[in-house]
Amino acid sequence: DGGITQSPKYLFRKEGQNVTLSCEQNLNHDAMYWYRQDPGQGLRLIYYSQIVNDFQKGDIAEGYSVSREKKESFPLTVTSAQKNPTAFYLCASSLLGQGGTEAFFGQGTRLTVV
Amino acid sequence: KQEVTQIPAALSVPEGENLVLNCSFTDSAIYNLQWFRQDPGKGLTSLLLIQSSQREQTSGRLNASLDKSSGRSTLYIAASQPGDSATYLCALPNTDKLIFGTGTRLQVFP
Repeated sequence: DGGITQSPKYLFRKEGQNVTLSCEQNLNHDAMYWYRQDPGQGLRLIYYSQIVNDFQKGDIAEGYSVSREKKESFPLTVTSAQKNPTAFYLCASSLLGQGGTEAFFGQGTRLTVV
Repeated sequence: KQEVTQIPAALSVPEGENLVLNCSFTDSAIYNLQWFRQDPGKGLTSLLLIQSSQREQTSGRLNASLDKSSGRSTLYIAASQPGDSATYLCALPNTDKLIFGTGTRLQVFP
């Protein structure tokens, strides 16, 4: 089945730790995205990538880092510099830039600071 | 700057009712509009994508309309069922990202 796979589903982070969230897609999409969702707020864009080895900051990139070494994979690292990382993280992909094509989302990773 | 508003924020209806969810946007120069469904603790499921040249799109019991001139889209759900209970989000592309509304939380009770 084609789709987007995020792992793990739940992740716990201690203060001062870096953690990495995985996102893999087999849709042959060029563009991939990371969004953060907090209760009562809309989705906010963290980073996006439209081509391998290139990515751009979104609206809330501080405290996060990404890489795009393969077309299929776009991992997100939540660093210790992110002061409030507890949230639901969603990965998405689309065929081209999101201007004209349908976006698809993974099932999300819930990150909790303990 | 594109702003997206969804009204109502929450809706509770008995099974069998026909429903209309609203999505308003401020900039009518859009490429498309996409409706999503989100179940609690889950990711987003794409329901319908309407291109800017279209006025409506249908999938099963769902029908989405688009009126760019008035900055509005509606999602019509026919003969609602308890399984339709979820949060419904609309989103519009803005350069390289999607701008989301805050959603309508729908509960359909038996």
